[in-house]
Amino acid sequence: GESVGLHLPTLSVQEGDNSIINCAYSNSASDYFIWYKQESGKGPQFIIDIRSNMDKRQGQRVTVLLNKTVKHLSLQIAATQPGDSAVYFCAGREFNKFYFGSGTKLNVKP
Amino acid sequence: NAGVTQTPKFRVLKTGQSMTLLCAQDMNHEYMYWYRQDPGMGLRLIHYSVGEGTTAKGEVPDGYNVSRLKKQNFLLGLESAAPSQTSVYFCASTYRGPPDTQYFGPGTRLTVL
Repeated sequence: GESVGLHLPTLSVQEGDNSIINCAYSNSASDYFIWYKQESGKGPQFIIDIRSNMDKRQGQRVTVLLNKTVKHLSLQIAATQPGDSAVYFCAGREFNKFYFGSGTKLNVKP
Repeated sequence: NAGVTQTPKFRVLKTGQSMTLLCAQDMNHEYMYWYRQDPGMGLRLIHYSVGEGTTAKGEVPDGYNVSRLKKQNFLLGLESAAPSQTSVYFCASTYRGPPDTQYFGPGTRLTVL
């Protein structure tokens, strides 16, 4: 089955800097990926998605990069703000199911 | 448009007790999912449904049952709660299933003593 994991459990960045959160997956059959943001005590919130036929997708202040060769995707947050502090995790789709990583906690220092 | 709602928000059970968690969505979504989230672990799929009247097992279905009698509701039941079922439970829904985005509810924090 799908195995989705994150490289770093915690990431601390200075307000205004760019953040990069990484995710690795093991199943080459995964064809769709989502990044979620989860604040304490709340449900996951969709940030951005990308299909496997794409290498890059941009949203507002966020960019997702997909490298299928090494089975890696990343989330880039530009000009990180205090409100970005949360746990971020990726999810990969295999058939009709999503498999989730354990998450990276992003701490934004003022 | 409330999105995905879950009741209750918190619950404490004793070992062996039963309860039902309710998930409701008002977005006319076909697919609905129940996940559990444990500290340091990613969301794990318990059961899911691809439409009214259908259910299917996920990664960790043991000890849980589900029902989807109405399209907008997805119920998760624990017949005999165990401490290992202490977790935060999230419901999610999508319009037609992946690759469409999953929308999550706020979660139910369950403690089994």
